[in-house]
Amino acid sequence: NAGVTQTPKFQVLKTGQSMTLQCAQDMNHNSMYWYRQDPGMGLRLIYYSASEGTTDKGEVPNGYNVSRLNKREFSLRLESAAPSQTSVYFCASRDSGGYNEQFFGPGTRLTVL
Amino acid sequence: DQQVKQNSPSLSVQEGRISILNCDYTNSMFDYFLWYKKYPAEGPTFLISISSIKDKNEDGRFTVFLNKSAKHLSLHIVPSQPGDSAVYFCAASVSAQKLVFGQGTRLTINP
Repeated sequence: NAGVTQTPKFQVLKTGQSMTLQCAQDMNHNSMYWYRQDPGMGLRLIYYSASEGTTDKGEVPNGYNVSRLNKREFSLRLESAAPSQTSVYFCASRDSGGYNEQFFGPGTRLTVL
Repeated sequence: DQQVKQNSPSLSVQEGRISILNCDYTNSMFDYFLWYKKYPAEGPTFLISISSIKDKNEDGRFTVFLNKSAKHLSLHIVPSQPGDSAVYFCAASVSAQKLVFGQGTRLTINP
């Protein structure tokens, strides 16, 4: 099992460009999450999907959109990238229905110039 | 406002000794707490968790203590090993759905 996979690993964008970060999990988990990690700030939740077909805002959703394509895949889109979105982005998944931990992908390091 | 705080950005401990990482929270509705470990250029990996109905949970060298009255969580690592050098994040949630993370503590184990 690959667990949680993310593509790409690295990306450099210019201000105003758009891109989609991809995430997939092979653990048959219902819930999926997108976080960003910035120095000194821990991980902050951008959006999450409690189950296929549902999405909800997290702590820092502005400037982002998400799509829960199917049970396996959850993508994060930046429509018009800004330097403030320079960060490391992590996707996670969780088997809902109890007190279960989240499993994280390896991350995407995004730089917006 | 920061609902989960790790006030020590870094901690240095000698190999073989005990490492104690601390975490404070403000939301009394949190009922599930976790510790994650993160190596550079990797995603966080789950270490240990505790629910609010307990005050201690052990897993090998790792023990998590929860003091609900003080809204304080700690992770003890005994004995500390060089491979424990990493950034440690505490996290809290209501019903385990959405996690709120602390800022992280960088632990360095010295030989």
